[in-house]
Amino acid sequence: GQNIDQPTEMTATEGAIVQINCTYQTSGFNGLFWYQQHAGEAPTFLSYNVLDGLEEKGRFSSFLSRSKGYSYLLLKELQMKDSASYLCAVKDSNYQLIWGAGTKLIIKP
Amino acid sequence: IAGITQAPTSQILAAGRRMTLRCTQDMRHNAMYWYRQDLGLGLRLIHYSNTAGTTGKGEVPDGYSVSRANTDDFPLTLASAVPSQTSVYFCASSEGQGEGNEQFFGPGTRLTVL
Repeated sequence: GQNIDQPTEMTATEGAIVQINCTYQTSGFNGLFWYQQHAGEAPTFLSYNVLDGLEEKGRFSSFLSRSKGYSYLLLKELQMKDSASYLCAVKDSNYQLIWGAGTKLIIKP
Repeated sequence: IAGITQAPTSQILAAGRRMTLRCTQDMRHNAMYWYRQDLGLGLRLIHYSNTAGTTGKGEVPDGYSVSRANTDDFPLTLASAVPSQTSVYFCASSEGQGEGNEQFFGPGTRLTVL
């Protein structure tokens, strides 16, 4: 079967750095996406990786290793507004997104 | 309209009733999707449409139907609602299906079936 694993919850301190990991086993691979979802709101796109390596976008970076079936999202200089759930999703061989359950990130002052 | 809209925002429905959730996008995207989101689970695909006039079944299609008569609209119908269909429903769209096509989400419909 297809599976996306990510931690259920993480806690970090304002101003610090946090890394959210995602491992996947899917039938085929056509890219990996990270989305942010604030409570009660819709998911919004953060990043996309299809080749191995690091993609940097401001305070957020995303890394992919296809051989290890592994990705992480790195958030720097954490702000209180970063408190949200972070969803990892992989596009499979049918070009459909398979979603992880999400990691709830709690930021403490 | 900007992006994707969904209606209603929330609904309480008696079991056995028929219900249509509406979704409209103004981005001229070819592909549209319906997901349900339940606590502790990832988003699960119900139905999708790669282009107007075509639809396909996702991971959890039973009890739901869709139509795609034009590019902009993608309604989801529950023919006879059951309590297990209590969920938050998100409509999404993307330019196409291909590798880098990110999906844009509507604000969601919170549905409770009693």
